[in-house]
Amino acid sequence: DIVMTQSPDSLAVSLGERATINCKSSQSVFYSSINKNQLGWYQQKPGQPPKLLIYSASTRESGVPDRFSGSGSGTDFTLTISSLQAEDVAVYYCQQYYNSPQTFGRGTKVEIK
Amino acid sequence: QVQLVQSGAEVKKPGASVKLSCKASGYTFTTYDISWLRQAPGQGLEWMGWMNPDSADAGYAQKFQGGVTMTRNTSISTAYMELSGLRSEDTAVYYCARGGVPGSRSWNYYDYWGQGTLVTVSS
Repeated sequence: DIVMTQSPDSLAVSLGERATINCKSSQSVFYSSINKNQLGWYQQKPGQPPKLLIYSASTRESGVPDRFSGSGSGTDFTLTISSLQAEDVAVYYCQQYYNSPQTFGRGTKVEIK
Repeated sequence: QVQLVQSGAEVKKPGASVKLSCKASGYTFTTYDISWLRQAPGQGLEWMGWMNPDSADAGYAQKFQGGVTMTRNTSISTAYMELSGLRSEDTAVYYCARGGVPGSRSWNYYDYWGQGTLVTVSS
């Protein structure tokens, strides 16, 4: 199985500041035949299901604020929140869907400093 | 609007089985695969398997093979997941989720999720 390693486990950021979450896969998740990285990012607030933010490593899901962006390729990926808002407090997960079983990172908890 | 509405919480004894439902609305049920995932208390997400509502084809994570069955009733746009031989480690919130790309089976991200069903396994 592909292991997804997120860092840090948690971070505290001041309102309006940038938050950066990293995700590393144990093997490449780049699918050359479609020229896409099979990597998604999700936001989960307490008591709620995960919400899709980003797919194909950098494509923002419809309705997701543009302060959320995804980057990276191959094995190293980043989710950036450009200007943290109070409603962004949550746990963020990366997911690879290149191989079955698809796997998730252990999550990064984002809080307000 | 797209919605996935799951059945209510369950309490089961070890060794029992549980069958959860996931009713879809707001889109053509047979177009998009449905996957089931779970999240143990305070833990991350674990993918269990997928099902194609049109063909009824299904695929399961190796960990769950032999213990999980995913089915559907297209007449009521509802997917089901049955888990047998329950153990305390199966205590978790179980989610159904719609695959974002039609026909992508297990190689998919999830654009819509059910609200989750808490299954508690306790003697």
